[in-house]
Amino acid sequence: ETGVTQSPTHLIKTRGQQVTLRCSSQSGHNTVSWYQQALGQGPQFIFQYYREEENGRGNFPPRFSGLQFPNYSSELNVNALELDDSALYLCATIRQGAPSFGSGTRLTVV
Amino acid sequence: QKEVEQNSGPLSVPEGAIASLNCTYSDRGSQSFFWYRQYSGKSPELIMSIYSNGDKEDGRFTAQLNKASQYVSLLIRDSQPSDSATYLCAVMTYKYIFGTGTRLKVLA
Repeated sequence: ETGVTQSPTHLIKTRGQQVTLRCSSQSGHNTVSWYQQALGQGPQFIFQYYREEENGRGNFPPRFSGLQFPNYSSELNVNALELDDSALYLCATIRQGAPSFGSGTRLTVV
Repeated sequence: QKEVEQNSGPLSVPEGAIASLNCTYSDRGSQSFFWYRQYSGKSPELIMSIYSNGDKEDGRFTAQLNKASQYVSLLIRDSQPSDSATYLCAVMTYKYIFGTGTRLKVLA
């Protein structure tokens, strides 16, 4: 049990659309990060939030954006979806010094 | 050069054998190293972390770190079919960087 819950579990979107993915974590986890895992690849760091402020970002374009709320929930927003955005999106908190992942949202862009 | 490199496999071992999984990394300043297991269709789960040179054992798992050679490995003793999964190596620099994973198949 990681204490990280993501929704939805699966999603199908059309190229050019916008999508919002959601994550909630147990109280006390004030750091949340998001990762993209394409098929056959390892998770790639998108960005991290600490106390509602973005404090780290990977090599992803600005159309990937996020929010963290006072109740420790978080959102990942992706605008102008591209086919290559199809992936498993993982939300993580830090436990024992390492990312502890939720079950993920599988996004398919058609 | 990739920041974290792993052989994609598959690595096939018979049940009861030792599985040896390897990982190299490029940033000499890396301080924290992790192994994750990921079953097909699931998210990665942390199985081992190691921070200093040498071996660290946890049940059937042993992580080995050699910072001079920039090399991390994971040994799984008495491999079971339930160990069949993809094993991801991760390194902490200013962010957590994952390798592409090694697919392990344990043959019954």
